[in-house]
Amino acid sequence: AQSVAQPEDQVNVAEGNPLTVKCTYSVSGNPYLFWYVQYPNRGLQFLLKYITGDNLVKGSYGFEAEFNKSQTSFHLKKPSALVSDSALYFCAVRPSGTYKYIFGTGTRLKVLA
Amino acid sequence: KAGVTQTPRYLIKTRGQQVTLSCSPISGHRSVSWYQQTPGQGLQFLFEYFSETQRNKGNFPGRFSGRQFSNSRSEMNVSTLELGDSALYLCASSWTGGANTEAFFGQGTRLTVV
Repeated sequence: AQSVAQPEDQVNVAEGNPLTVKCTYSVSGNPYLFWYVQYPNRGLQFLLKYITGDNLVKGSYGFEAEFNKSQTSFHLKKPSALVSDSALYFCAVRPSGTYKYIFGTGTRLKVLA
Repeated sequence: KAGVTQTPRYLIKTRGQQVTLSCSPISGHRSVSWYQQTPGQGLQFLFEYFSETQRNKGNFPGRFSGRQFSNSRSEMNVSTLELGDSALYLCASSWTGGANTEAFFGQGTRLTVV
């Protein structure tokens, strides 16, 4: 079965420190991987995606993600966290040949001033 | 460029009633999909439409239905509402809905069933 796992319900990090939000996936075929962020009472905002090519993907707001095929991971990173980064982050996979996302359970990021 | 617009933003309904939610995609986007978000189940795929045709359906009962119009606007309908249908319903649009394309989400309709 195709799935996405976000092992941490919450991640706390001090402002200015690097942050990592973890994601692993299980999918047949080529993985198309995405990160979205959700602020309170809002929809999901697209951050970045991995389709093919370079394993390090750069996205919006200074975020980047590293695709690791051998570990089936797609961790979200940012070199220096801001308090305004505090939100709910979702990793998702779009199985090839389908038109839907399979989302992870989400990780709440809390950046402390 | 206007984003994805969902109406209404909030809705309170009684058990047994039916409800219709509306989604206007980004101009030019022809794929519209719907998701249900709840604290317990997370984000669950409902269905996806492209050029008025449903291409994918999630594992929801037949009480959940949708449609897409020729201008790509979409509606979803839930009949015989149950308490468990209380959720944030999110609509997303994209150019083609292909697996390698990102979707853009609306702010959602928060449905409360009492």
